[in-house]
Amino acid sequence: GESVGLHLPTLSVQEGDNSIINCAYSNSASDYFIWYKQESGKGPQFIIDIRSNMDKRQGQRVTVLLNKTVKHLSLQIAATQPGDSAVYFCAENIKGYSTLTFGKGTMLLVSP
Amino acid sequence: GAVVSQHPSRVICKSGTSVKIECRSLDFQATTMFWYRQFPKQSLMLMATSNEGSKATYEQGVEKDKFLINHASLTLSTLTVTSAHPEDSSFYICSARDGRGGTDTQYFGPGTRLTVL
Repeated sequence: GESVGLHLPTLSVQEGDNSIINCAYSNSASDYFIWYKQESGKGPQFIIDIRSNMDKRQGQRVTVLLNKTVKHLSLQIAATQPGDSAVYFCAENIKGYSTLTFGKGTMLLVSP
Repeated sequence: GAVVSQHPSRVICKSGTSVKIECRSLDFQATTMFWYRQFPKQSLMLMATSNEGSKATYEQGVEKDKFLINHASLTLSTLTVTSAHPEDSSFYICSARDGRGGTDTQYFGPGTRLTVL
């Protein structure tokens, strides 16, 4: 969902569950997408990326899915751990442009 | 690989003073670096794009005379907040573009917490 004011969308899960974080992007010309994890007081950390010529990419415990038809990106985290608790941002890039456009972020809370 | 450092990690200064923040790419050369500002519970706001050897490109609404950016080498960009005021207090984060492999992946520094008294 959309964040309003200072309230980030929050996803609360139990340890061991699978988590799915969603992101809607706006520009149909975007062809490169990145997921970042940001822990409190730290800079964003690269998790996984995907190009627009793919619809799925897997990493260690993470999978990114891209649906270009509806301009939707998701991050799936398997067997979520307390250490996964953070704010997750999606970012999009248009080929030929160096800048990234960030989504509003989703806070993931993992309880033991 | 792709490690970016930032210094200092936090700084407290008096109103009216200037503060310099350094951003370094440690294991790759970055022709392009970026400076962001982040308020609590919000996303990253791009302030400017820093290109090695040329002037920075500032986003709309960002005062270039207040936020001076210098990208003197392929591994170092600096942001100087001049005549800082309490409203400049924020979390400043840099990133460096790693163009290896033909991607536009940005790797971020750990951030600098600026508090202006």
